[in-house]
Amino acid sequence: EVQLVESGGGLVKPGRSLRLSCTTSGFTFRDYLMGWFRQAPGKGLEWVGFIRSKPYGGTPEYAASVKGRFTISRDDSNIIAYLEMDSLKTEDTAVYYCARRLAVGYQFYFDYWGQGTLVTVSS
Amino acid sequence: DIQMTQSPSSVSASVGDRVTITCRASQGISNWVAWYQQKPGKAPKFLIYAASTLQSGVPSRFSGSGSGTDFTLTISSLQPEDVATYYCQQANSFPLTFGGGTKVEMK
Repeated sequence: EVQLVESGGGLVKPGRSLRLSCTTSGFTFRDYLMGWFRQAPGKGLEWVGFIRSKPYGGTPEYAASVKGRFTISRDDSNIIAYLEMDSLKTEDTAVYYCARRLAVGYQFYFDYWGQGTLVTVSS
Repeated sequence: DIQMTQSPSSVSASVGDRVTITCRASQGISNWVAWYQQKPGKAPKFLIYAASTLQSGVPSRFSGSGSGTDFTLTISSLQPEDVATYYCQQANSFPLTFGGGTKVEMK
């Protein structure tokens, strides 16, 4: 059974940093692109970024709203994806989800999602 | 960026009704659209990709259609467990973007 579990969320002051983890099981992690998404309270879904699998360069892509502040990485040995968030702003307050890219074709659809972890940025 | 505009923002229907949700892209995106279902407090659930391909395990009352700029998600016979918010997502180009969501409620 495919499982993704986010952790590391919490209350943090503006300007501080936080690292989220996405611990996975039930699939061959190293073969999959992993994405991060967020959902502000009462709002819709927003793509944050993703990291490609090593065969495709292991490179990340980011939304403009987080580029330069957030860093996505992966540890294929421990089957974990990370989202490092620096210089946090109040508008980064959201539930953060990790998700696995669908392994069909070349488009970016996401078939399994974690339960999410809440990040609250407030002084 | 490609904007995805969903309508209606909410719909109220009875058990057994046909429900149709539309998503319009700000530019042509071929058939690179997915649909997700999200229940309150839960993660999104993947329903449909490539505009019309039903993900394994999703009930056949869900269907998708469209290409270019106009896309549709249809629930052929609404069931109580379908109460949720539905989102479209374009996968044509970066940044990946979502529609604003359509809340489906039971009358």
